Amino acid sequence: GAGVSQSPSNKVTEKGKDVELRCDPISGHTALYWYRQSLGQGLEFLIYFQGNSAPDKSGLPSDRFSAERTGGSVSTLTIQRTQQEDSAVYLCASSLAGYNSPLHFGNGTRLTVT
Amino acid sequence: AQKITQTQPGMFVQEKEAVTLDCTYDTSDQSYGLFWYKQPSSGEMIFLIYQGSYDEQNATEGRYSLNFQKARKSANLVISASQLGDSAMYFCAMRNSGSSASKIIFGSGTRLSIRP
Repeated sequence: GAGVSQSPSNKVTEKGKDVELRCDPISGHTALYWYRQSLGQGLEFLIYFQGNSAPDKSGLPSDRFSAERTGGSVSTLTIQRTQQEDSAVYLCASSLAGYNSPLHFGNGTRLTVT
Repeated sequence: AQKITQTQPGMFVQEKEAVTLDCTYDTSDQSYGLFWYKQPSSGEMIFLIYQGSYDEQNATEGRYSLNFQKARKSANLVISASQLGDSAMYFCAMRNSGSSASKIIFGSGTRLSIRP
């Protein structure tokens, strides 16, 4: 069956440009999560959605970062005026409702800001 | 506030030996779930095992088992009969109960290397 799909898989952008990262969750999964992982590091929580609403945006590093989810499905993470420190792998995951439901991860978008 | 701590940045184990990866957590909630994930060098995140806070028995999945000690707030992953393919980063994660979904946080990870 279809898993979590992220696009693009790789993105190289110049400092100061805006980028959009897309996540297509597993059908029927109401919860959607974004994480950032720098090389060799752990997963840094950014934001999560329950349906189209984001109850917790506390992990967004700055106001240059925003995310939305429409139709309870696809989500877009936007980074404005990218900086070199934004370079990382951005991971999206989805799950069913319920605290016993595991996350299913996409393969990530590797963002490089030059 | 939630917190997950993995105190072992790296471990080396001989093939076929058992290994325990430590995870401690902190939460004020009574209902929560604990997860372990494996991340090989390919980068994919693979779900291994789950333990609920009210589960009376330790979770097991094949060669993976969870040593859950609720009073000590620890959820250590035990891998029996380790294999070369077990070499990877391992992350512990926690999710508190919420309305229907809630924030999931991860520990900093343990890099496990299996020696032939």
